[in-house]
Amino acid sequence: DVKVTQSSRYLVKRTGEKVFLECVQDMDHENMFWYRQDPGLGLRLIYFSYDVKMKEKGDIPEGYSVSREKKERFSLILESASTNQTSMYLCASSFAAGLFYEQYFGPGTRLTVT
Amino acid sequence: TQLLEQSPQFLSIQEGENLTVYCNSSSVFSSLQWYRQEPGEGPVLLVTVVTGGEVKKLKRLTFQFGDARKDSSLHITAAQPGDTGLYLCADPLTDSWGKFQFGAGTQVVVTP
Repeated sequence: DVKVTQSSRYLVKRTGEKVFLECVQDMDHENMFWYRQDPGLGLRLIYFSYDVKMKEKGDIPEGYSVSREKKERFSLILESASTNQTSMYLCASSFAAGLFYEQYFGPGTRLTVT
Repeated sequence: TQLLEQSPQFLSIQEGENLTVYCNSSSVFSSLQWYRQEPGEGPVLLVTVVTGGEVKKLKRLTFQFGDARKDSSLHITAAQPGDTGLYLCADPLTDSWGKFQFGAGTQVVVTP
């Protein structure tokens, strides 16, 4: 079974803190993604990476950065956390299953910024 | 990027009832995926539909892809409390390194 793990299920941070969210996948997938999920807005893509050290901005990259030094690990960094970054953060990896891609998600990190 | 509209936003039913949720777009889908997200977990892929008019069955779940490939539906027969969750449709974007566009989801609650 594909496994995507995230470093924390719940996290509480203060405004201005630097926050690291880590994600690890064990299936040698090329592509990895960070989303945030807010009620009524669905999943919005923050950043994705299609190879080690390669990254591209998604739809809402402001206030975030990412790091992918190893294929299996993709980190999301909040340089200076703000209250509007309180959200559920989902990591995913994907691979091409024939003609289309399939995504596999981690359990999510619920981040609260106070 | 096409927008995916899911309806209804919320659905609450009793165990044993049937339900249908919808995913629509103004543009043609190349293919469409349905995911279910249970409370406190990440989404899990249920099915991929590819061909216009396609019908796929997964136990009590029936997935249909419209002939024009602009809409899809998910029908659950005799819903059970274990079907409770957020149902998301997703469009795998072409030429996009495996990126997806997700709808906002339909929250389904099945009460015993």
